[in-house]
Amino acid sequence: GENVEQHPSTLSVQEGDSAVIKCTYSDSASNYFPWYKQELGKGPQLIIDIRSNVGEKKDQRIAVTLNKTAKHFSLHITETQPEDSAVYFCAATYSGYALNFGKGTSLLVTP
Amino acid sequence: NAGVTQTPKFQVLKTGQSMTLQCAQDMNHNSMYWYRQDPGMGLRLIYYSASEGTTDKGEVPNGYNVSRLNKREFSLRLESAAPSQTSVYFCAVAGGVGSYEQYFGPGTRLTVT
Repeated sequence: GENVEQHPSTLSVQEGDSAVIKCTYSDSASNYFPWYKQELGKGPQLIIDIRSNVGEKKDQRIAVTLNKTAKHFSLHITETQPEDSAVYFCAATYSGYALNFGKGTSLLVTP
Repeated sequence: NAGVTQTPKFQVLKTGQSMTLQCAQDMNHNSMYWYRQDPGMGLRLIYYSASEGTTDKGEVPNGYNVSRLNKREFSLRLESAAPSQTSVYFCAVAGGVGSYEQYFGPGTRLTVT
C-alpha cells in the first residue's frame, strides 16, 4: 500500500506533560485515519479516528488533527499518565477499506 | 461477547511444516483481515475478505492462503512454513461498506525454526 510515515519512533515524557505523534501519508484518496494503542502482548486497540471531511476531533485527553492539503495528521495526548505508556500506531485507508499502518511510536510516561 | 478470538495463542513450527491459524468473530461484521507484525515494521496486511465469499491479497501475501469459511470465520494457512514467517499474526474485523473501523484480536505468536 501507500506509505505512512510516523514520527518519532520513541517518545519519553513526564507525567502531566503533553505528547504529540505525527504521521504523513502519500495517497491523496485516503479518507479515514485511525489511531491505535497497543500494550505489551495485546492486540491494537482503536482509540480515536478521523475522517477526511473533519479537521479535528477530541475525546477527553486525546485529540487528532488532520491537514489534508499537507497530507499529515497528528495525535495529541494531554495530561499524560503512566497508563498511557504503550506503542501507538497511525494508519490511513488505501484501496477502499484496507489500512496502511505507520511503524509505531513507543511512548513512555515517567512518574 | 468475546469480540474477535484467535487460536492458537502460541505455536512453534519446524521449517516445512504446515498449520492453520483460526479467527472467529461474534460482532456480525462483514470484513475480516489478516496482518503480521514484525519488530520495527508496524502491521502489514496479508489478506482480507471484504465480505463472505470474497478474498483479496494485501501487501505481503506470498506463502499464505486464506479461507472465509462463513461470515464468522476467516482462516490463514501456511502450507510450508519458513523462518521468515516468524511473526505475530493478528486478525481484525470491520463493519464493511461505509464502516472503516477495524477491531483486532489478541494475536497468535508463531515461531518457525
